[in-house]
Amino acid sequence: GENVEQHPSTLSVQEGDSAVIKCTYSDSASNYFPWYKQELGKRPQLIIDIRSNVGEKKDQRIAVTLNKTAKHFSLHITETQPEDSAVYFCASYNAGNMLTFGGGTRLMVKP
Amino acid sequence: NAGVTQTPKFRILKIGQSMTLQCAQDMNHNYMYWYRQDPGMGLKLIYYSVGAGITDKGEVPNGYNVSRSTTEDFPLRLELAAPSQTSVYFCASRAGTSNQPQHFGDGTRLSIL
Repeated sequence: GENVEQHPSTLSVQEGDSAVIKCTYSDSASNYFPWYKQELGKRPQLIIDIRSNVGEKKDQRIAVTLNKTAKHFSLHITETQPEDSAVYFCASYNAGNMLTFGGGTRLMVKP
Repeated sequence: NAGVTQTPKFRILKIGQSMTLQCAQDMNHNYMYWYRQDPGMGLKLIYYSVGAGITDKGEVPNGYNVSRSTTEDFPLRLELAAPSQTSVYFCASRAGTSNQPQHFGDGTRLSIL
């Protein structure tokens, strides 16, 4: 089955700096890669996603890149703010019906 | 349009008791999922369903049962609660077309003492 590895597990940045979270996946048939943000005590919420026919997607301060050859994708957050502090999960869909999650990254943005 | 609704939000059970966690969605989604999330950890898939009358096991199904009699509802049942089942349970749904995101409910926080 699919295996998704996520790094780093924790990330601390100063407000205004950029943050990058990386994920690798194992199933070359995977074709959809969402990213979720989970604040403490709340549900995971979709923040951005990318499909396998696209190499990069941006939404304001958030961007995701995908390298299908290397089987890795990354989340980039620019101009970080304290409200960006949360746990971020990458995920991968393959041809099946299940979403495989990475282990999560705890992002802390210091004011 | 309420999205994915889970009840109850909190529950404390004694060892050996049983209960049903409710999940309902009003988006006419075919696919529904149950996850558990232990403190400080990621999401583990318990069961999922691709439509009414169809269910399948995920990564950690032992100790749980599900049913899907309607498109809207996907209840999760714990028959003999054990301390290892203390966790936060999330239900999610997604549309049946390919490459669609899952939408999560607010979760049920379950403690078994």
